[in-house]
Amino acid sequence: GESVGLHLPTLSVQEGDNSIINCAYSNSASDYFIWYKQESGKGPQFIIDIRSNMDKRQGQRVTVLLNKTVKHLSLQIAATQPGDSAVYFCAESVFGSARQLTFGSGTQLTVLP
Amino acid sequence: NAGVTQTPKFQVLKTGQSMTLQCAQDMNHEYMSWYRQDPGMGLRLIHYSVGAGITDQGEVPNGYNVSRSTTEDFPLRLLSAAPSQTSVYFCASSLHSGRASTDTQYFGPGTRLTVL
Repeated sequence: GESVGLHLPTLSVQEGDNSIINCAYSNSASDYFIWYKQESGKGPQFIIDIRSNMDKRQGQRVTVLLNKTVKHLSLQIAATQPGDSAVYFCAESVFGSARQLTFGSGTQLTVLP
Repeated sequence: NAGVTQTPKFQVLKTGQSMTLQCAQDMNHEYMSWYRQDPGMGLRLIHYSVGAGITDQGEVPNGYNVSRSTTEDFPLRLLSAAPSQTSVYFCASSLHSGRASTDTQYFGPGTRLTVL
């Protein structure tokens, strides 16, 4: 079946550097994408979303880029902080909203002091 | 408001036992869903509901039942627990059931279930 996957299972960055987390998706019908952050022992927390009619969306210290041609999604975190250490998941939906999401397997981001 | 709440936080069952995982939200959200998360994996959708009285199957529904008698509550039932159902279970809710252009989904803190 269709799936969403991540290129890198782990990522370590120095505090203050920028982080880039990548995600590949295979369902060309997906029209809505979300990035979630999950800290140990907690539920996923919404970070940012993007619809398929957009290429880029910015939030506070985060930017999501969508390349529909190669079915690739990335999350950029500026000036990474220790509190950013977590597992990051991308998720997709064909319903244009956070309905019936398909999740990737996650990337563990570790911020080094 | 409390957001999405789940009980219990931890549960140990023996094979064949039944139990209900509770989920409640106080945000008047239409859409609620249940996911399971296995070690090193993303979340997989079990069941979802687009409103009171309406439920549907997700990716991995076998072994689980749900009901949605009220907007606030969306319990997940395991009728006969199996070791393969050992997992962390997350309930989530969002305001609209797909009609909104974008829609934030809020997750509960999770229930860690072990089936022996």
